[in-house]
Parts: sequence; structure tokens; C-alpha cells
Amino acid sequence: GEDVEQSLFLSVREGDSSVINCTYTDSSSTYLYWYKQEPGAGLQLLTYIFSNMDMKQDQRLTVLLNKKDKHLSLRIADTQTGDSAIYFCAESPGGYQKVTFGTGTKLQVIP
Amino acid sequence: NAGVMQNPRHLVRRRGQEARLRCSPMKGHSHVYWYRQLPEEGLKFMVYLQKENIIDESGMPKERFSAEFPKEGPSILRIQQVVRGDSAAYFCASSSSTSGGGVYEQYFGPGTRLTVT
Repeated sequence: GEDVEQSLFLSVREGDSSVINCTYTDSSSTYLYWYKQEPGAGLQLLTYIFSNMDMKQDQRLTVLLNKKDKHLSLRIADTQTGDSAIYFCAESPGGYQKVTFGTGTKLQVIP
Repeated sequence: NAGVMQNPRHLVRRRGQEARLRCSPMKGHSHVYWYRQLPEEGLKFMVYLQKENIIDESGMPKERFSAEFPKEGPSILRIQQVVRGDSAAYFCASSSSTSGGGVYEQYFGPGTRLTVT
């Protein structure tokens, strides 16, 4: 079945870049997502990438995809204290099908 | 435009009672998904519904759990005879009938935190 793995915790200083990594197993994954969850809140879609892309940039966010290694990363430039949250990597085959989430990486930003 | 609404936000039930969780999708959305998040874990898919139809229930436990999305009114996730292991955050998401560039974005509600005592 599908499996999405992430490291559990990342700590960075304010102003530095954060890189959150993810690996997935399902070769039929078409869409790969990054979601952000703040304490006590639901999930907010930050960005997504199609499996036929290598990179996507959206303001401070850069997503890199290595399809051969099934490795996805999210880089947050100039990390701010407001970026402190749990970040979930997720994948789906596309369409209306279910999304499979990783366990989440808790990002702590030190002022 | 209100987002996905879930109620109650917090629910406490004793073992053996029933829990009913409600989800109102975003206006114009006819696709609803339920996910469960156990403490310190990611979200696990439970069920995907369209109006009056269950499309994919591959993540639903075989017993005690049921879901519906009637023609009128919110989607309901029902857990009968709750046990302590049912304690979790239950999230609902909805998506539109049309996609934005092929991405059928799921918009999440704030979740219902169920505690079974």
C-alpha cells in the first residue's frame, strides 16, 4: 500500500532556510502536496507539484521532486516564527481519490 | 464564503455511547472526505462520499463506524459504542466538482476532537 515518511522534528533559527524532507512509496502518485497544520486547526494546503515536474517555486516556498528516488522536499526561505507548525507531505493518484498523508514534521522556529 | 464547518469542535463521550460528528462542506462542494488523526500521527483516510453515495470507504473500520451525506444537510460520521481507542481528531474535507488545473484541492475543516472516557 501507499506509505509516506517524514522526519518528526526540525528546529531552525528565524531568518534561516528550512528544508523538510519526505519519501513516498506509491509509484502511481500523480499529485504531491505540502500541508501546514497550526495548533488546534485544520490543514491548509500550501503548495502541490505534479509528478512530471522537478521543481515548483511559490514565493518563499520551493518544492523539489526526485521522482526516481521518490523524494520530495519543501524549502522555506527566510523562515519566520509564524512558520512554526506541523508540515505534512501527502500524495494522491489524482482526481477525487483519497490523499495519503505522512506523519508530519514539526517545525520549530527559534527567534 | 464560509469554509468547511464541523461541529462540535470538542466532544466527550463515555465508553459505549454514540458519537455523531457533523460536517458542512464549502458552498458548492459536493465531495466530502473524512480523515482521522490519532495523537502524534498523520491523517488517515476513512471515507469519501458524494451526495447520497459512498464512493470509497476503504479506510473505515468494519464495525461501529458509518458515514452518510444526505441530499439535504451535513455529512455525518457516526461511531457507535465508542471505545477509548476512538479518541482522536476527526477532520472533514470537501472539494469542488470542478478542478483548478486538474488539482481537486481538498479544503479542510477545523476538526472535531473526540475524547472517550
